[in-house]
Amino acid sequence: NAGVTQTPKFQVLKTGQSMTLQCAQDMNHNSMYWYRQDPGMGLRLIYYSASEGTTDKGEVPNGYNVSRLNKREFSLRLESAAPSQTSVYFCASTRQVPNTGELFFGEGSRLTVL
Amino acid sequence: EDQVTQSPEALRLQEGESSSLNCSYTVSGLRGLFWYRQDPGKGPEFLFTLYSAGEEKEKERLKATLTKKESFLHITAPKPEDSATYLCAVPSAAGKSTFGDGTTLTVKP
Repeated sequence: NAGVTQTPKFQVLKTGQSMTLQCAQDMNHNSMYWYRQDPGMGLRLIYYSASEGTTDKGEVPNGYNVSRLNKREFSLRLESAAPSQTSVYFCASTRQVPNTGELFFGEGSRLTVL
Repeated sequence: EDQVTQSPEALRLQEGESSSLNCSYTVSGLRGLFWYRQDPGKGPEFLFTLYSAGEEKEKERLKATLTKKESFLHITAPKPEDSATYLCAVPSAAGKSTFGDGTTLTVKP
């Protein structure tokens, strides 16, 4: 039972490089989310996709883009990485639209931007 | 704008010493309040959902309660394996969840 799978688990980038974080869920959930977690700042929503074919900005979208590739997959792209984007990134999903159900999280992707 | 505040930031307990964690919230309309547990290096894991004031949920040594302004996570006779960060969150009608910053619980044997 895989749940929510994120890749890569760890990544080191240089300032200005680009990369894509991948997320896939096998629970047939409608809604998917990308959060970042920084020490002392809790989880902050970057982007979300309430259903296949839609994406919306969250609290901290600047510097990121997303793609809801299909119902299972939701990717997060950093076009030109900055040190301020050093963080732990979590993908999450939930069945209900709108979100009134519990979130299921991946194990996280730890990104360091030098 | 929904707001969630958790206190204390950190809590250190001796094994068997019961205590409570607080989650205060301000929302335009409560659609539920969620508690999660997060272990170091892992993603948050769902614990409870509470939907209305007066509701209580229990799981092993944990009991969550809800009032119109706050929720409490009561920990009875904690064990070292209860050490984790506990997060609360409220969902919005727009499909987003607002999280508190969490309480990091350490239980010493």
